[in-house]
Amino acid sequence: DVKVTQSSRYLVKRTGEKVFLECVQDMDHENMFWYRQDPGLGLRLIYFSYDVKMKEKGDIPEGYSVSREKKERFSLILESASTNQTSMYLCASSRGKAQETQYFGPGTRLLVL
Amino acid sequence: GEDVEQSLFLSVREGDSSVINCTYTDSSSTYLYWYKQEPGAGLQLLTYIFSNMDMKQDQRLTVLLNKKDKHLSLRIADTQTGDSAIYFCAESRYNFNKFYFGSGTKLNVKP
Repeated sequence: DVKVTQSSRYLVKRTGEKVFLECVQDMDHENMFWYRQDPGLGLRLIYFSYDVKMKEKGDIPEGYSVSREKKERFSLILESASTNQTSMYLCASSRGKAQETQYFGPGTRLLVL
Repeated sequence: GEDVEQSLFLSVREGDSSVINCTYTDSSSTYLYWYKQEPGAGLQLLTYIFSNMDMKQDQRLTVLLNKKDKHLSLRIADTQTGDSAIYFCAESRYNFNKFYFGSGTKLNVKP
């Protein structure tokens, strides 16, 4: 079974803090994704990566950056957390072939005070 | 995002059928997916359909695709309380495997 893990299930941070969310997958997948999930808005893509050191902006990249130094790990960085970044963050991975399904981690619920 | 739309809520009684609907706008979509999210968990793939099909059945789940109207539905037969969850439809396009998700439909199953 594919396993996608996220470093924390819950996080509480203060406005202005730098926040790191880590995601690791164990299936040698090429593609990795970061989404945020908000009620009524579904999942919105923040960034994705299709290879090591490669990244592409998703639909809502503002206020976020990412890092993919190793194939299995994809990090989401909030340079200076703000209250409007309070959300559920979901990581996903998939193989490089077109139309492969995405496998999701359990999510990190972030509260920014 | 990208105009994948779902109604937000659906409530049914245990044992009834549930039908969750989804509309999308991009005719280049090739695969369409249904995911289930239980409370506090990530998304779990339920089923998917290739765009040249119009129906797929998998045990209690039936997916119907009307490509002309860009309408996708998920029917759950004999709905159980364990089916209570949020259901997301998603479409993928030939674009680095990006998915576009609907807003999710929260299914509430009453005993």
